[in-house]
Amino acid sequence: QQQVKQSPQSLIVQKGGISIINCAYENTAFDYFPWYQQFPGKGPALLIAIRPDVSEKKEGRFTISFNKSAKQFSLHIMDSQPGDSATYFCAARAGTSYGKLTFGQGTILTVHP
Amino acid sequence: DGGITQSPKYLFRKEGQNVTLSCEQNLNHDAMYWYRQDPGQGLRLIYYSQIVNDFQKGDIAEGYSVSREKKESFPLTVTSAQKNPTAFYLCASSISGRAPSHNNEQFFGPGTRLTVL
Repeated sequence: QQQVKQSPQSLIVQKGGISIINCAYENTAFDYFPWYQQFPGKGPALLIAIRPDVSEKKEGRFTISFNKSAKQFSLHIMDSQPGDSATYFCAARAGTSYGKLTFGQGTILTVHP
Repeated sequence: DGGITQSPKYLFRKEGQNVTLSCEQNLNHDAMYWYRQDPGQGLRLIYYSQIVNDFQKGDIAEGYSVSREKKESFPLTVTSAQKNPTAFYLCASSISGRAPSHNNEQFFGPGTRLTVL
């Protein structure tokens, strides 16, 4: 019940295209859903996050869509650029978990020029 | 220049040896975390500490130990009991381990890659 399932494992997109990464969860106590971006050999960095009281959050080219009834959320990267090539992790946290995050398995995104 | 530092960047260990990974933060954060990253498995929580002199086991604590004697430091020891220690280890911190706020972002260090020879 603590798992967060992420798909696809890898994704190849042409420059200018839309990248979509999906995550699903079971634990209804999760109330915070961040996405992290990680470049090779570096630590992850927070990209964008959403709480379940909204269905969508947009920051620049990055959008989170959230479907509370389906217990799913997704990251959309519009106008994908080669510099977006990285590993993306979704995560979730329950309000009672004292800061602990549960991570998805990660998606390796490659954007071809 | 605030942030989280981890050292060393690369670490090689012989089987049967204990090694200690360093994590230091100058963000004045109360909470600190250790994760292990393996290909295709995301980040898995090893130990976390909500406050100085307190720490809790995460999902994969077996074969690891930690201490939290100072607010800014949270070293991780990989013991010889850890059966498969080769991995990328990430340290993180957040303002508080007790406040379930969407502003309680976790900041990550650059990681230490441990290889057992």
